Amino acid sequence: AQSVSQHNHHVILSEAASLELGCNYSYGGTVNLFWYVQYPGQHLQLLLKYFSGDPLVKGIKGFEAEFIKSKFSFNLRKPSVQWSDTAEYFCAVNSGGYQKVTFGTGTKLQVIP
Amino acid sequence: DSGVTQTPKHLITATGQRVTLRCSPRSGDLSVYWYQQSLDQGLQFLIQYYNGEERAKGNILERFSAQQFPDLHSELNLSSLELGDSALYFCASSDESSGEQFFGPGTRLTVL
Repeated sequence: AQSVSQHNHHVILSEAASLELGCNYSYGGTVNLFWYVQYPGQHLQLLLKYFSGDPLVKGIKGFEAEFIKSKFSFNLRKPSVQWSDTAEYFCAVNSGGYQKVTFGTGTKLQVIP
Repeated sequence: DSGVTQTPKHLITATGQRVTLRCSPRSGDLSVYWYQQSLDQGLQFLIQYYNGEERAKGNILERFSAQQFPDLHSELNLSSLELGDSALYFCASSDESSGEQFFGPGTRLTVL
């Protein structure tokens, strides 16, 4: 069975600091990988996704993620965070023909102005 | 706007009652997923339907059930409600070619 681990549960950064959120998954086959963001009081929205090709994926709002197959990782990065990035971030993995998606437990990011 | 709609937006009810939450997927999406999000449990996958058939089950209690109708809308039924069932319930539909999920705005259930 596939699983997703997000090791950081709560991250606090000052504006302009760099961000890296860890995501590791366990599944030996081909996977599609996603990062979703949930702003306070809102629903989850897609930040970026990886299906194949260039392992460095760029998403909205200056976010990017790198797929490292050998490490089963898909870490999310942003060089300089803003107060408006305060949100909860979820990593997700999809595999198999039935499109079952497994979400990580989420990382709450708080950016201090 | 994701194209996924959920009703109602808010629901306040008492313990022991039964409620039905409704979800309409994006046009063309055949899969519907239900999630429960609470402060202590985080985001929990409940159940998935694909074109009317149950496809995957997660941490769904026996007091909860769901179905997907021929027009592809889905309903989540929660019965014998307990205080701990208070949560945000999200529905999502997916693009079958990729697995990317599109989330609805959620229904906030408060059990008093």
